[in-house]
Amino acid sequence: GAVVSQHPSWVICKSGTSVKIECRSLDFQATTMFWYRQFPKQSLMLMATSNEGSKATYEQGVEKDKFLINHASLTLSTLTVTSAHPEDSSFYICSATPTSGRALLVQFFGPGTRLTVL
Amino acid sequence: SQELEQSPQSLIVQEGKNLTINCTSSKTLYGLYWYKQKYGEGLIFLMMLQKGGEEKSHEKITAKLDEKKQQSSLHITASQPSHAGIYLCGADIAGGTSYGKLTFGQGTILTVHP
Repeated sequence: GAVVSQHPSWVICKSGTSVKIECRSLDFQATTMFWYRQFPKQSLMLMATSNEGSKATYEQGVEKDKFLINHASLTLSTLTVTSAHPEDSSFYICSATPTSGRALLVQFFGPGTRLTVL
Repeated sequence: SQELEQSPQSLIVQEGKNLTINCTSSKTLYGLYWYKQKYGEGLIFLMMLQKGGEEKSHEKITAKLDEKKQQSSLHITASQPSHAGIYLCGADIAGGTSYGKLTFGQGTILTVHP
């Protein structure tokens, strides 16, 4: 149980185009999903917290107009990198927390999406 | 400086040896999570610790949270090549005020030589 998928697993795009990444919780409902970015040999950097039915909460320094997040249902959140540039090339990982009344919940992670912007 | 410090940053051991990875914070850890990551892949959940002094084990991996809830250790007994990967600790250091949000350490790269 607690499987999270991401699509696509890798994408190569031209500079200036937009790329959409999907994050799905396959066997549970997730009120909250998180989007992270990871550079080679570095830890995870939280970009934003995605809440179903409401606006995402972005971390300091993350441009909300560039990284559009939509959490339309309890099993799907999408991250759209708008007008992508080479510096946006990175490994993007999402995680999902099962909907529950408990205060401490485990984040289950997707397999990640490798974005390369040419 | 990192809010969550992991040590060592990298570790190379011979198969069969025991090893310990530490995760330390100056703040109280309201929930401490250990994950394993293969390069270029997602994170696999290992264990969650919540209470001071708590200890959990799964197969050959044991995780502990100290009484003060500021330090956690991950211990692997009789390491195997399958244990190789990046180990990350993540913690809620906001006391539950930012629901579910975790801060991660910089990771420990473990290599196990056969």
